[in-house]
Amino acid sequence: GAGVSQSPSNKVTEKGKDVELRCDPISGHTALYWYRQSLGQGLEFLIYFQGNSAPDKSGLPSDRFSAERTGGSVSTLTIQRTQQEDSAVYLCASSQLAVPRDSTEAFFGQGTRLTVV
Amino acid sequence: KQEVTQIPAALSVPEGENLVLNCSFTDSAIYNLQWFRQDPGKGLTSLLLIQSSQREQTSGRLNASLDKSSGRSTLYIAASQPGDSATYLCATNDYKLSFGAGTTVTVRA
Repeated sequence: GAGVSQSPSNKVTEKGKDVELRCDPISGHTALYWYRQSLGQGLEFLIYFQGNSAPDKSGLPSDRFSAERTGGSVSTLTIQRTQQEDSAVYLCASSQLAVPRDSTEAFFGQGTRLTVV
Repeated sequence: KQEVTQIPAALSVPEGENLVLNCSFTDSAIYNLQWFRQDPGKGLTSLLLIQSSQREQTSGRLNASLDKSSGRSTLYIAASQPGDSATYLCATNDYKLSFGAGTTVTVRA
């Protein structure tokens, strides 16, 4: 696609329910990232994929959070047993390792606004 | 762990004034640094990317400098317009992006 696409754009869920957030990266981009932006807070790194593997998942806040990526393309972030503190905007970004490496640029989607009530 | 700081947190200027936004970081082992713009309720739009081998990068009214050795980058916006009102974020890239908290800019007509 032309850009990074995320769905849904907005999600309201009840506390305790599971949610799935989807990210469709720019075609051909091998790197994919998930970030979280809470109200009034900066962007918090969650997880990094290179292809289908996740060499860095150090930012996942608890074991209720998981993510997968299939076919080197679409990624799904799953939050189980949602809590009110999970309310935030979840942003996805993708990039393609460039040559030289320091010209690698990341592009972001519009985000999914998650509200847990 | 990379720590990125942006000063000031907020800035309000009259239209036509030049803007200077500051970004500092603790670990100079980065590939590059990106400046982003975020409008309320929206995602991030990439404005400029400065490679680690570069000292500055320009795009239209925007100019960004990078001093890796001192861990600083500055974004200059010339002749500001009300449409420049947004939050500006800098991010260092060492395979993942580490963000500052941003500078919220208001340009008064």
